[in-house]
Amino acid sequence: GAGVSQSPRYKVAKRGRDVALRCDSISGHVTLYWYRQTLGQGSEVLTYSQSDAQRDKSGRPSGRFSAERPERSVSTLKIQRTEQGDSAVYLCASRHGAGGPPDTQYFGPGTRLTVL
Amino acid sequence: AQSVAQPEDQVNVAEGNPLTVKCTYSVSGNPYLFWYVQYPNRGLQFLLKYITGDNLVKGSYGFEAEFNKSQTSFHLKKPSALVSDSALYFCAVRDLRGSGNTPLVFGKGTRLSVIA
Repeated sequence: GAGVSQSPRYKVAKRGRDVALRCDSISGHVTLYWYRQTLGQGSEVLTYSQSDAQRDKSGRPSGRFSAERPERSVSTLKIQRTEQGDSAVYLCASRHGAGGPPDTQYFGPGTRLTVL
Repeated sequence: AQSVAQPEDQVNVAEGNPLTVKCTYSVSGNPYLFWYVQYPNRGLQFLLKYITGDNLVKGSYGFEAEFNKSQTSFHLKKPSALVSDSALYFCAVRDLRGSGNTPLVFGKGTRLSVIA
């Protein structure tokens, strides 16, 4: 079946502009995560949301990063007032369960964001 | 706090030889441990996980990992490396005490190069 997809795959933004990145998760998956991957630093969680909760449960709270869940299987990561340090690959992941055992997170291909 | 260390940025191995990619972790309680692989321009792909039970976990593509509680390690292994195994490998951990939705904490990654 279809996996996790992300769009766009590549995004170039001018510093100071807002960007929105989209994630379409696997149907039936409850929890969606956003991670940021930078070269040599691995991946760190930005935010995640459960089920029908549209507000994010931030892993690393930051006023510029937020996620919304307009539909059960869709999440949008919004970055306000982008900075050059935001240049990274943004990975979306989804998970079937809403709690309980840590079943596997499935990752999308990522969006490479470049802030000029 | 949870953390993961992958002490080697790069591992080189000849095709047909056994390979090991090292990972050590730190959690307050018992760990859930994962290995993911990333090919160029692709998202993270799940390889295997340790939740409980047998310390030797077998996963996709002939990979396996051994959980060693006393050494707090979860090294990834394969008896005979293939050139197609060349990729970036990430170890991840989650504390058993957290909820099922708790995000993963990733290591910085190890680049594996298998030489023909």
